[in-house]
Amino acid sequence: AQSVAQPEDQVNVAEGNPLTVKCTYSVSGNPYLFWYVQYPNRGLQFLLKYITGDNLVKGSYGFEAEFNKSQTSFHLKKPSALVSDSALYFCAVRDHGTYKYIFGTGTRLKVLA
Amino acid sequence: DGGITQSPKYLFRKEGQNVTLSCEQNLNHDAMYWYRQDPGQGLRLIYYSQIVNDFQKGDIAEGYSVSREKKESFPLTVTSAQKNPTAFYLCASSIGERNTIYFGEGSWLTVV
Repeated sequence: AQSVAQPEDQVNVAEGNPLTVKCTYSVSGNPYLFWYVQYPNRGLQFLLKYITGDNLVKGSYGFEAEFNKSQTSFHLKKPSALVSDSALYFCAVRDHGTYKYIFGTGTRLKVLA
Repeated sequence: DGGITQSPKYLFRKEGQNVTLSCEQNLNHDAMYWYRQDPGQGLRLIYYSQIVNDFQKGDIAEGYSVSREKKESFPLTVTSAQKNPTAFYLCASSIGERNTIYFGEGSWLTVV
C-alpha cells in the first residue's frame, strides 16, 4: 500500500533562515508526490508536485522540493523563511491504479520573527 | 471563477439528525473526494468518485453517504449513525492520473 510519513509534528525556524519540512514515502512503482499548505480554517493549497523529470521541483511562494529516490524522500525547502510561511504543511502521494490521494499527518511550521 | 465551492461553511447538527454538506466544482474534473480532518490529525478519506454514478468507500465511510448524479456535484450526508461527526470536512477534485488534487475551503460540522 502507498503511504507517506511526515516525521516532525512541528518545525520552528527563524525568519530569514532556510527551512526544511520532511516527507518520506512508500510506493510501488514511480511515485506521484505533492506538497500542500493549509492556513487556519481554510482548505489545502497546492504548492508543487513531482511526477517525473528533474529531481528538484520548484513551486509557489518560493518553495521547492527535492525528490530522492534512493532515500524515498521528498523534502520541502525554502531558502529564506518568512513569518507568513507559518502554516500546516501536508505531503501526499497518489495511489497507483486508483484515484486516491494519501496524505501525511501534517507538519506545523512556525517561523519566528 | 473556476473552483470548488463548499457550503455551508459552518453547520450545527443535533443528535440524531442527518445533515448534508454541499460540494460543487466547475473545473470539469472527473474525480471528486471527501476528506475529514480532526484537530492535530491528517486528512482521512471518506468517499471518492471517479465518474458520475459511481463512488467508492474510503478509509472511514461508516456513518456517511454520498451521491454523484452530476459531474460537478458530490454532496456528503452525515447520518445519525456517525457517532462523532464534529470535524472539518474538505471536498476536493482532480482530473487525470498525474494531476493535482484541488480543495474547497472546507465546512465545519459541530454536534450540539
